[in-house]
Amino acid sequence: DQQVKQNSPSLSVQEGRISILNCDYTNSMFDYFLWYKKYPAEGPTFLISISSIKDKNEDGRFTVFLNKSAKHLSLHIVPSQPGDSAVYFCAAWANTGANNLFFGTGTRLTVIP
Amino acid sequence: DAMVIQNPRYQVTQFGKPVTLSCSQTLNHNVMYWYQQKSSQAPKLLFHYYDKDFNNEADTPDNFQSRRPNTSFCFLDIRSPGLGDAAMYLCATSKSNQPQHFGDGTRLSIL
Repeated sequence: DQQVKQNSPSLSVQEGRISILNCDYTNSMFDYFLWYKKYPAEGPTFLISISSIKDKNEDGRFTVFLNKSAKHLSLHIVPSQPGDSAVYFCAAWANTGANNLFFGTGTRLTVIP
Repeated sequence: DAMVIQNPRYQVTQFGKPVTLSCSQTLNHNVMYWYQQKSSQAPKLLFHYYDKDFNNEADTPDNFQSRRPNTSFCFLDIRSPGLGDAAMYLCATSKSNQPQHFGDGTRLSIL
């Protein structure tokens, strides 16, 4: 049963515009959420995270928003750049010490120059 | 650069022939993980080592085993690979309650 869902398999955005990637989860015990970025033939790279006690975390062009009541988070990239083209995975863990990550299926972002 | 290294990047084996994938890390992280990722699917955790303690996910087939001889190395052994085991295998490491760092994966093909 998929506890973390990314319902959009792909997204295309013009360079300079905002990219919004969405993620939903079902397990209310999750208390930490992460976004990973993956280029072809490489492993996922950690991008940004947010604790469940926050509703926003910002790092440069990347901002993650968390809506706990809706069990929804989103990653905003602004302005989008062609180098941002990659697959983005949403992931979550419950703080049990071992931080077992539950991943979504990913969204492929294409930024069009 | 400190990193997570997986060897080989591509592995081909025959149906039923045992295969071992390896992972090493220079990050000195205490937790190491193995994930299986099939095409267009989410990475799925197979098991992890928390220090020396082995933790198997409930739905990981018995065909999959793991060894961690020391902090730096972790191996994934597939005793009798079937066609359904063809996938990308990702190794990751972390400190407790910190984001995981991934290797570039080993793509396993079964003939």
